[in-house]
Amino acid sequence: EPEVTQTPSHQVTQMGQEVILRCVPISNHLYFYWYRQILGQKVEFLVSFYNNEISEKSEIFDDQFSVERPDGSNFTLKIRSTKLEDSAMYFCASSETGATEAFFGQGTRLTVV
Amino acid sequence: EDKVVQSPLSLVVHEGDTVTLNCSYEVTNFRSLLWYKQEKKAPTFLFMLTSSGIEKKSGRLSSILDKKELSSILNITATQTGDSAIYLCAVVVNTDKLIFGTGTRLQVFP
Repeated sequence: EPEVTQTPSHQVTQMGQEVILRCVPISNHLYFYWYRQILGQKVEFLVSFYNNEISEKSEIFDDQFSVERPDGSNFTLKIRSTKLEDSAMYFCASSETGATEAFFGQGTRLTVV
Repeated sequence: EDKVVQSPLSLVVHEGDTVTLNCSYEVTNFRSLLWYKQEKKAPTFLFMLTSSGIEKKSGRLSSILDKKELSSILNITATQTGDSAIYLCAVVVNTDKLIFGTGTRLQVFP
């Protein structure tokens, strides 16, 4: 069964460092999303991406965040200068038709120390 | 502000019990409501509900949407230890994003 793959599964980084979280969406999907879940809190929308551009972003997705689809298969989330409060599980999701049928990856746990 | 609220936050039952999980929402431009099961990491899809009053069923799990009451319930009958998980409710709005509730943590003991 096709699945969304995320790497790494766990990343530890020092505050102020840049991190790139990688996702390989399902191959025929056109809609891509990033969500995050701070430990013990709800899953929060970060950004949606379609047709090589951001469709929508939340207030969380400030100038420190960026997304890219560099080679037609990967979908990346970059955090330029990490803060302690960026520590969370980051989920990538992809869909053929939109948010209602999005498949989630297993997540990357980001720990900022 | 769009909001999704789930109750209870936590539930502890014994195998064989029936449970009902609740989800209520206040959003603009509602499109559909989804239920997910989150065991260790990724949420896995259970149901999508768009029409009021039509029950969706999969094995021991069933769910129904009440658009008048802006709510949905997820029922699990004859619970098993493998049902232990966090159950997430999410609403899709016109801007094509999921708005999640905080989840209900279900623990089923033998």
